[in-house]
Amino acid sequence: DGGITQSPKYLFRKEGQNVTLSCEQNLNHDAMYWYRQDPGQGLRLIYYSQIVNDFQKGDIAEGYSVSREKKESFPLTVTSAQKNPTAFYLCASSIPHDREGQPQHFGDGTRLSIL
Amino acid sequence: GENVEQHPSTLSVQEGDSAVIKCTYSDSASNYFPWYKQELGKRPQLIIDIRSNVGEKKDQRIAVTLNKTAKHFSLHITETQPEDSAVYFCAARLSGGYQKVTFGTGTKLQVIP
Repeated sequence: DGGITQSPKYLFRKEGQNVTLSCEQNLNHDAMYWYRQDPGQGLRLIYYSQIVNDFQKGDIAEGYSVSREKKESFPLTVTSAQKNPTAFYLCASSIPHDREGQPQHFGDGTRLSIL
Repeated sequence: GENVEQHPSTLSVQEGDSAVIKCTYSDSASNYFPWYKQELGKRPQLIIDIRSNVGEKKDQRIAVTLNKTAKHFSLHITETQPEDSAVYFCAARLSGGYQKVTFGTGTKLQVIP
């Protein structure tokens, strides 16, 4: 059954700690994305990757880092530089956008909280 | 960049009535407009999308209309059911090469039985 798997579902971070959120997809999609969701603010793009070994900053990349070493995987690290990390994090994938837009498929999300 | 505004932020309707959610976008170069439904604690799921070469698209009880001149698009849900209760997000994407999708802030729809 194809889809996107995010783990863990819940994550707690201590002050000064880096934490990594996992995102794996078996949809054979080249493009992957990370969004942050806060109440009343919709989805804001953190990072995106159109292809393996390439990624670009989105609108709110400060305090986050990513890697794209494999097509199936796009982990997000929330660093200690992100001072307000409490949010719901969503990973998505799609066929790469070219002339036409393509729908994005989302994972179930990871809820990150500060201890 | 693109800016998407969505209204209303909350909407309550009686079961069986229609619901309309409206979005406006700022960049006339946008050419793809998806709508996502997100139930509480779950992933957003695409429910319908429209491209700029059409003005309306229907899928059973759901329809989307696009007015390129006015730069707005709307989601229409007819004969609403309690299971339609969720948060709905509109989005817009600029044409040409890779362009990110910009989301609206969401509408929380409550269908009252």
